[in-house]
Amino acid sequence: EIVLTQSPDFQSVTPKETITITCRASQDVGYSLHWYQQKADQSPKLLIKHASQSIVGVPSRFSGDGSGTDFTLTINSLEAEDAATYYCHQSENLPFTFGGGTKVEIK
Amino acid sequence: EVQLVQSGAEVKKTGESLRISCQGSIQTFSSYWIGWVRQMPGKGLEWMGIIYAGDSDVRYNPSFQGQVTISADKSISTVYLQWSSLKASDTAMYYCVCPLSGAYWGAFDIWGQGTKVTVS
Repeated sequence: EIVLTQSPDFQSVTPKETITITCRASQDVGYSLHWYQQKADQSPKLLIKHASQSIVGVPSRFSGDGSGTDFTLTINSLEAEDAATYYCHQSENLPFTFGGGTKVEIK
Repeated sequence: EVQLVQSGAEVKKTGESLRISCQGSIQTFSSYWIGWVRQMPGKGLEWMGIIYAGDSDVRYNPSFQGQVTISADKSISTVYLQWSSLKASDTAMYYCVCPLSGAYWGAFDIWGQGTKVTVS
């Protein structure tokens, strides 16, 4: 099973800051790495697919990069509405797995 | 708009059986894979398995194989997650998901609203 390790676990930031969340895979997943945002009491929502492909309707301040085992999600100029937990997910090998999540708090 | 609509919250006792459902408004539902994701209280996301609605081909996470059954009824565009004997540790929110790519190895573009299962 591929283990996805996210860092940091938690980050407290002020509006307009830029943050980067990292997801490291225990094996090569190519570009089969996706990012989701889950706000409190809501279903997760797809933010970025295949490492860096943007999703229609997702603000352009969200971007992804990486391949192989190292990936990043960057949120530029954070807004209050970005308070959420962010998860990475690999679909390269069964069983599919998720990272442990990164909780982002807006001060 | 593509949607997955899940059945309502359930409160059950240990040892009881349960089936929850996920109905899709996706056209050509039988051409898609629909999966299930568990989220235990205060915890992260876990992929349970995925089924091809067209022929009910299922891929399970080994951690959940034998513990749950995933099935589909393409005539009513519905996928099910079933337990024969619930445990307290099955208490969780369950989401159905769909990769719109049509392949089971895609990103989960669509998520249902979640079904909360409480077992005591």
